[in-house]
Formats: sequence, structure tokens, C-alpha cells
Amino acid sequence: RKEVEQDPGPFNVPEGATVAFNCTYSNSASQSFFWYRQDCRKEPKLLMSVYSSGNEDGRFTAQLNRASQYISLLIRDSKLSDSATYLCVVNSGGGADGLTFGKGTHLIIQP
Amino acid sequence: EAGVTQFPSHSVIEKGQTVTLRCDPISGHDNLYWYRRVMGKEIKFLLHFVKESKQDESGMPNNRFLAERTGGTYSTLKVQPAELEDSGVYFCASSPLGTYYGYTFGSGTRLTVV
Repeated sequence: RKEVEQDPGPFNVPEGATVAFNCTYSNSASQSFFWYRQDCRKEPKLLMSVYSSGNEDGRFTAQLNRASQYISLLIRDSKLSDSATYLCVVNSGGGADGLTFGKGTHLIIQP
Repeated sequence: EAGVTQFPSHSVIEKGQTVTLRCDPISGHDNLYWYRRVMGKEIKFLLHFVKESKQDESGMPNNRFLAERTGGTYSTLKVQPAELEDSGVYFCASSPLGTYYGYTFGSGTRLTVV
């Protein structure tokens, strides 16, 4: 079983729609959770951290379910510029240990 | 503020040759990480420096890979001799000491071994 699993997509979504991605992680000791965004041939960039209580940043909402080891990302009112690969990322240790990445979910927003 | 800088951006070498990748972290960032993405796979952790010390090198694939961070500033990752399966994108990331979020990645070095 992969450490972080994501549906690779692609998700083809019309502009203005709401889209949700999920991921699951296998290490129950995981402590920190993130969504990164990666554009084609670019480096990953932190989109948002994910907190147990859920958190929102503009059109983006992240949720964490520790019991089910499940993380979600919701994008409302999607824009063409949201087209990218969204990486679910987990930090399994405390401090500054390495990150464990999912393979990413490819999102295409269509005009 | 300058970001994480990696050099070269692309490298094409023949199997058996040696390649050295360089990473300049954000100034003052004591944590420095190397990651690799092989085509079709997820980004994988290679190793982690805290200043000049290797904190965790559990992700290094084999002894053909050697990472150094002299003086706790820039880091190099040498592959010697390179094999075909070493092809991929090598990312460097840095963060301040004491944080475990907000890693800043460099734009990566795309290595092709032919």
C-alpha cells in the first residue's frame, strides 16, 4: 500500500464549478499535512497546511480526518488558473523530517 | 528575498559519467532537503541536512549518490557513476530551523542519463 494515495485524475471541470480531491495516508503517526500545487515542469509550491479543525483560505478549504486517515481539498468557483497538479503531502515525524508525497491529482479547468 | 536556487536546470549525461547538482538554499535556512521525482512516480525524499550535518539520509538510493553541505550553506549532490534509472527531476528545498512546514522548493534539475 502506498504511503499517500491520491486519485491521479485528470479531473476535467468547467470554470466556476466546485471540485474536491481526496487522499489517504497509511502512517497513523503522521503529524503534519499539506496540499501543494505543482504546475507543469515547475517546482511544488505550498498551497495550504491542513489542520484537524479544518481550514479555509479564500476559495480553498482543507479537511483532515485523523480517524480515517483521510485529507480533502475543496476548490470553489474554480478558475482557469487553478489548472495544475495538486499534491497531498504528509510529514510523518515531528520537527523537520522529510515529506512524503502523493503522486498528485491532475486538475484541468475548462472554459 | 532570493529563493532556493538550483544549478544546472537541465543536464544530459551518458551512463557511467559523473554529474554534480548544486543547491543554494534561502539565506539563513538551516534545513536543506533533496528530493527526486522519477517519471511516473511520486516525489521522493532523499536526504536532509541540518546545517552541515546529515540528519537523515534514509532516502538515498545507493552509494552512487553523495551529498555534501560544506559550511552549512550550499549543498551538492553527486551521482557517480550515473545509471539510466537515475534520470528524473531533482528538487532541493529549504526551511528555517524549528519549522516543519513552509518548505520552499527550488525549480529543480532535470537529469537525463542516456
